[in-house]
Amino acid sequence: QKEVEQNSGPLSVPEGAIASLNCTYSDRVSQSFFWYRQYSGKSPELIMSIYSNGDKEDGRFTAQLNKASQYVSLLIRDSQPSDSATYLCAVPEYGNKLVFGAGTILRVKS
Amino acid sequence: GAVVSQHPSWVICKSGTSVKIECRSLDFQATTMFWYRQFPKQSLMLMATSNEGSKATYEQGVEKDKFLINHASLTLSTLTVTSAHPEDSSFYICSARDSGEQFFGPGTRLTVL
Repeated sequence: QKEVEQNSGPLSVPEGAIASLNCTYSDRVSQSFFWYRQYSGKSPELIMSIYSNGDKEDGRFTAQLNKASQYVSLLIRDSQPSDSATYLCAVPEYGNKLVFGAGTILRVKS
Repeated sequence: GAVVSQHPSWVICKSGTSVKIECRSLDFQATTMFWYRQFPKQSLMLMATSNEGSKATYEQGVEKDKFLINHASLTLSTLTVTSAHPEDSSFYICSARDSGEQFFGPGTRLTVL
C-alpha cells in the first residue's frame, strides 16, 4: 500500500508570512496529488490538485511537485488566521481510493 | 468544484437502533462513492468503496453486516449503521469522484446514547 508522510505539526506562522507544508509519498508511479484543508469539526475541502512536475499556483496557494524526489509541497502566501486548519496530502491508489497523510496542523497567529 | 451533500448532518439515536445516512452528488454522476469515518483528533479512515449497481468493497476490519452500503443510482449512496452502539459514535463522511478529483460531503455526526 502506498504511504504518504506529513509532519503533524503544529506549524505556527505569523499572519502575513508564507506557510510551507510538505508531503512525501512512497510510490514512484503516482501521477496525481491532492491537497485538502480540513477545519476542526468539518469535512475536507479540496484546495489544490497537481499532476506535473513544477509549480501550480491558485491565488495565495502554490503546489510544488518533484516526482524524482517523491515530494509535494503546498505554500500559502500572506497567511491569514482563517488559514488555520489541518492540511491533508493525498495520493490515489488502486480503485481510485485516496491514501491520506496524517495531516499537518497549521496555526496562523495574528 | 463538484457538490456532494449528506443527510442528516447530525443524528442522535439510542443504542441498538439503526441509522441511515444519505450521500448525494448534486451536479454530477458518480459511479463510485467512498465512505469514511473520523474519530476526534484522528485521521480519516476509509470504510468502504460504494459502487453503483454492485456490492460495496469494504476495507479490512470493517464489518460489512454492520455497515450496510447501497448505491442504487448514479447520484445516491446510503450507509446504514445497524444496531448502533456508543462506540459507533463518530463523524461519517462520504466523497465522490468527478473528473479525477474527489469531493467530500459535509459529514454526518452520529451520537449513539
